Amino acid sequence: DAGVTQSPTHLIKTRGQQVTLRCSPKSGHDTVSWYQQALGQGPQFIFQYYEEEERQRGNFPDRFSGHQFPNYSSELNVNALWLGDSALYLCASSFDEGSTEAFFGQGTRLTVV
Amino acid sequence: GQQLNQSPQSMFIQEGEDVSMNCTSSSIFNTWLWYKQDPGEGPVLLIALYKAGELTSNGRLTAQFGITRKDSFLNISASIPSDVGIYFCAYAGGTSYGKLTFGQGTILTVHP
Repeated sequence: DAGVTQSPTHLIKTRGQQVTLRCSPKSGHDTVSWYQQALGQGPQFIFQYYEEEERQRGNFPDRFSGHQFPNYSSELNVNALWLGDSALYLCASSFDEGSTEAFFGQGTRLTVV
Repeated sequence: GQQLNQSPQSMFIQEGEDVSMNCTSSSIFNTWLWYKQDPGEGPVLLIALYKAGELTSNGRLTAQFGITRKDSFLNISASIPSDVGIYFCAYAGGTSYGKLTFGQGTILTVHP
C-alpha cells in the first residue's frame, strides 16, 4: 500500500517563475492538505482540498493556488515566486470522515534563486 | 491564529538517558498531537491525545494531555540513536485532522 507520494523531490526555480508540485494521497484517503515548512520552523498550513474544492485556507496569498482531481490527487501552484518561497512543501492526506491521522509525504524541496 | 510554544528548542543527550519536552498554548485545545520528523522526510504521527488528563504510551514514548487543556508533554525513555530528529507538537483544527497547527519543534540529538 503506497503512502503519500510527492513529486518532484527537489527543484530550483528563478524568482518570478511559476511552479507546480504534485501529490498522490494514501490509498483510501480523500482529503489533501498542503503545508509549507521553512528551514528551522514547523509546517504551516496552506490549504486543504476535499471533493475537488478548497475547503480551508491558511494565511497565504493568492499566489498560492491548488487543485484536486477526481482521483483525489492534488497540485499546488505558486505564481510569481519570491526568494522567501524557498521551503519544503509537504502534502498530507486523510480520510475526511471520522478521526484519522494525517499521513505526510516526504516533501518537495523548492529553492528559489 | 493560535500559537504553540515548544520547549526546549534543542536537546543534546547521551544514549540511554530519558528525555522530556513540552508544549503550551494560551488557548484550550481538544486534541494534542506529537509528530517526529527525520531529515528529508515528512512528519510521522507518534501519539494522539483526545482528553484532558489522558496519558498515552507508544513503546518508549509517553505523552500526556494537560488537565488545563493548554499543555502537553512528551517523554522518551532510554533514548537510542534513532530517536534523533525534530519533535513537533500540533493541534488539529476543523472537522478533520487535515488542518494542523504545529509548534516550532524540539531538535533532539543523541550521542552514542
